[in-house]
Amino acid sequence: DAGVTQSPTHLIKTRGQHVTLRCSPISGHKSVSWYQQVLGQGPQFIFQYYEKEERGRGNFPDRFSARQFPNYSSELNVNALLLGDSALYLCASSLDLSPSWPQHFGDGTRLSIL
Amino acid sequence: RKEVEQDPGPFNVPEGATVAFNCTYSNSASQSFFWYRQDCRKEPKLLMSVYSSGNEDGRFTAQLNRASQYISLLIRDSKLSDSATYLCVVNFGNEKLTFGTGTRLTIIP
Repeated sequence: DAGVTQSPTHLIKTRGQHVTLRCSPISGHKSVSWYQQVLGQGPQFIFQYYEKEERGRGNFPDRFSARQFPNYSSELNVNALLLGDSALYLCASSLDLSPSWPQHFGDGTRLSIL
Repeated sequence: RKEVEQDPGPFNVPEGATVAFNCTYSNSASQSFFWYRQDCRKEPKLLMSVYSSGNEDGRFTAQLNRASQYISLLIRDSKLSDSATYLCVVNFGNEKLTFGTGTRLTIIP
């Protein structure tokens, strides 16, 4: 079975540009979450979506937005990129919203801002 | 105070030794607990969930102490392939996982 898939794997952008990252969850998983991981830190929560609705938002500016599609895939959009947005962006899926269900991560998109 | 705290290490341990990591969390209402491992420049991978009764998976044993609000991971007979960063993860009953900064482990031949 395919795991969580993310695209692209690597991306280089310049300040002020925008970026769209994509994620396909594990088949049957309805919840998708996005995390940002900077070097030397644990992942930080950005968003969670379930059944196409936003169910949680972390402490990130409004430049960050996301959505979930009817097939449960998801996009993360970041506008007006800053140097500090350089990070590994991770998508995770879980079966549903129950805290007991672990989240499974994709390989991530490594975003570099020049 | 961070919501989830771990000793960042690094831990340098000879092959075959036993190593233990601890992690403390701030919210007594926390609902679920996990250990993930992360290899360099890779995604976090679920190692094991942590249950109140403690649980074991091969060489790995996880313990939860709700009264003291800490979680532990014990690795016995360590292998070179155990070298990684180990992330303590807590779900506080909301929509997100909260990660510690990770403990870096290197197994020395």
